Amino acid sequence: QQKVQQSPESLTVSEGAMASLNCTFSDGTSNNFRWYRQHSAKGLEVLVSIFSDGEKEEGRFTAHLNRANLHVSLHIREPQPSDSAVYLCAGLNYGSSGNKLIFGIGTLLSVKP
Amino acid sequence: EAAVTQSPRSKVAVTGGKVTLSCHQTNNHDYMYWYRQDTGHGLRLIHYSYVADSTEKGDIPDGYKASRPSQENFSLILELASLSQTAVYFCASSDEGTSAETLYFGSGTRLTVL
Repeated sequence: QQKVQQSPESLTVSEGAMASLNCTFSDGTSNNFRWYRQHSAKGLEVLVSIFSDGEKEEGRFTAHLNRANLHVSLHIREPQPSDSAVYLCAGLNYGSSGNKLIFGIGTLLSVKP
Repeated sequence: EAAVTQSPRSKVAVTGGKVTLSCHQTNNHDYMYWYRQDTGHGLRLIHYSYVADSTEKGDIPDGYKASRPSQENFSLILELASLSQTAVYFCASSDEGTSAETLYFGSGTRLTVL
């Protein structure tokens, strides 16, 4: 089964500084990738979905996909303390009996005022 | 706005007891999923369904059953709850058919098995 590795495990940045998160997949099974944000064990909020090499911007959140390197990154512009949360990346695998999302274990982001 | 509602929000169960977690969606989505979240493991797929009256095993189905009696409702059943099943459980729904589909998650159920 595909594995998803996220780095770093935790990250602390100052308010207004760029935050960069990384995600590497063990194989090329996934066709579609997305980043989620989770505040304090609450439900997940999707931030950006990307399925083509290159960049996809949604407000202050920009995902970058490089399929050849099995790598997806998330860049948060001008992070605020309210952005402090766990960020999860996931790959969508299409299968004959349905689609499944495979998640990483997350990066804990802390934004200091 | 898509809506996925889970109940209960939290539950304490005894080892060996039966637990049923419920999920209801008003999105008219075909797909529904049950995930569990544990520290150090992230979200792992337990069961999912892409049509009413049918369920599929996910990556960690052992010890769990699922039921999809209608498009809107999807239940997760622990027939004999065990300590290792203490976790936060998330239900989600999605709309099949587009390459940019999105999962909509409920707020989670925190299950503690004693």
